[in-house]
Amino acid sequence: DGGITQSPKYLFRKEGQNVTLSCEQNLNHDAMYWYRQDPGQGLRLIYYSQIVNDFQKGDIAEGYSVSREKKESFPLTVTSAQKNPTAFYLCASSLQGGSTEAFFGQGTRLTVV
Amino acid sequence: QKEVEQDPGPLSVPEGAIVSLNCTYSNSAFQYFMWYRQYSRKGPELLMYTYSSGNKEDGRFTAQVDKSSKYISLFIRDSQPSDSATYLCAKMDSNYQLIWGAGTKLIIKP
Repeated sequence: DGGITQSPKYLFRKEGQNVTLSCEQNLNHDAMYWYRQDPGQGLRLIYYSQIVNDFQKGDIAEGYSVSREKKESFPLTVTSAQKNPTAFYLCASSLQGGSTEAFFGQGTRLTVV
Repeated sequence: QKEVEQDPGPLSVPEGAIVSLNCTYSNSAFQYFMWYRQYSRKGPELLMYTYSSGNKEDGRFTAQVDKSSKYISLFIRDSQPSDSATYLCAKMDSNYQLIWGAGTKLIIKP
């Protein structure tokens, strides 16, 4: 089955710890994205990558980091510098940057206590 | 002012009713619009996209764009309880990134 897999579905971390969210796709898409979703605010772009070994900051990149060493994988690290990390994180991919259709993973709910 | 505005609802309607979901936008550049549906605790999925004024139909769903008013709508005919979800509108910007509305939570009552 082709698609995007995010893991884990739920994640709990103590304040001050870094945590890495996994995102893998087997759609052979060039572009991948990380969004954060908070109630009543829609999706906000954290980082995106249009090609392997290249990525750009989105609107709310502070406190986050990413890597794109392989086409299939785009992990997101939530660092201790992120002031309000508890949120629902969504990974997406599209055939290329600017495609009208983005395919989303099932999301990771991160709770920092 | 946000570039894409959408009432978060919730919007509650009886089964079988016609549903109207709406968004407004402020930037007229790159007028590509999308509607996504998101079930609770799931990722969004694309319902429809459009880039022209007027209506675009797909089954029970109709997307409408009014560029003069900067207004986009999604109509759902013969609404079903399975249509209960959050509906997100999105517009592409000049950097080919999607600008998202807040999403409207729709509840279809049996």
